[in-house]
Amino acid sequence: DSGVTQTPKHLITATGQRVTLRCSPRSGDLSVYWYQQSLDQGLQFLIQYYNGEERAKGNILERFSAQQFPDLHSELNLSSLELGDSALYFCASSVMGEGGEKLFFGSGTQLSVL
Amino acid sequence: QQPVQSPQAVILREGEDAVINCSSSKALYSVHWYRQKHGEAPVFLMILLKGGEQKGHEKISASFNEKKQQSSLYLTASQLSYSGTYFCGTPGEVRGGADGLTFGKGTHLIIQP
Repeated sequence: DSGVTQTPKHLITATGQRVTLRCSPRSGDLSVYWYQQSLDQGLQFLIQYYNGEERAKGNILERFSAQQFPDLHSELNLSSLELGDSALYFCASSVMGEGGEKLFFGSGTQLSVL
Repeated sequence: QQPVQSPQAVILREGEDAVINCSSSKALYSVHWYRQKHGEAPVFLMILLKGGEQKGHEKISASFNEKKQQSSLYLTASQLSYSGTYFCGTPGEVRGGADGLTFGKGTHLIIQP
């Protein structure tokens, strides 16, 4: 168990809908990362927050948005869903240790858009 | 920019060795390695820093050649537990940091008894 909590585990919805994925980082971790994993694209970096502020942005679509709240939990909002958005969405938190910063991944939310 | 990993997949017998390569078109300050077992989340293996020495984790070691902008992961005397997908990641410019950590598409490793 990495200590990172993601809910829900599974989400099934229809095209055009909007969903919210939730992530709670490990206690004390200030950074939250969001990744999308699909068979053909691998593990794609979407966005990163640090202590409530956006820190880095990757290949995140305009239909997607995220935020990190004062209690450090984060939400990823996906709107106007398309079939191609079906994927496994991971969040991770990080800690800086000797040698560098390592990520701890949650167990993911499997999104199926029908 | 996404790093490029090779090979895409490797099938080995238990006890054999494997090398997984990771290269980038941009200057690298560090390379991060993760392993993901089927149906699980990725798990941290190690970080190689620019100017750092080769690192090891169990019988898995890695090197980092900053001039060639490449890193290689070496799996020695592979065990069944090594099966999974290996990802290398390249971050922004913070030495050892993980800001904007971007992963390659992964190398699938299958170990057969």
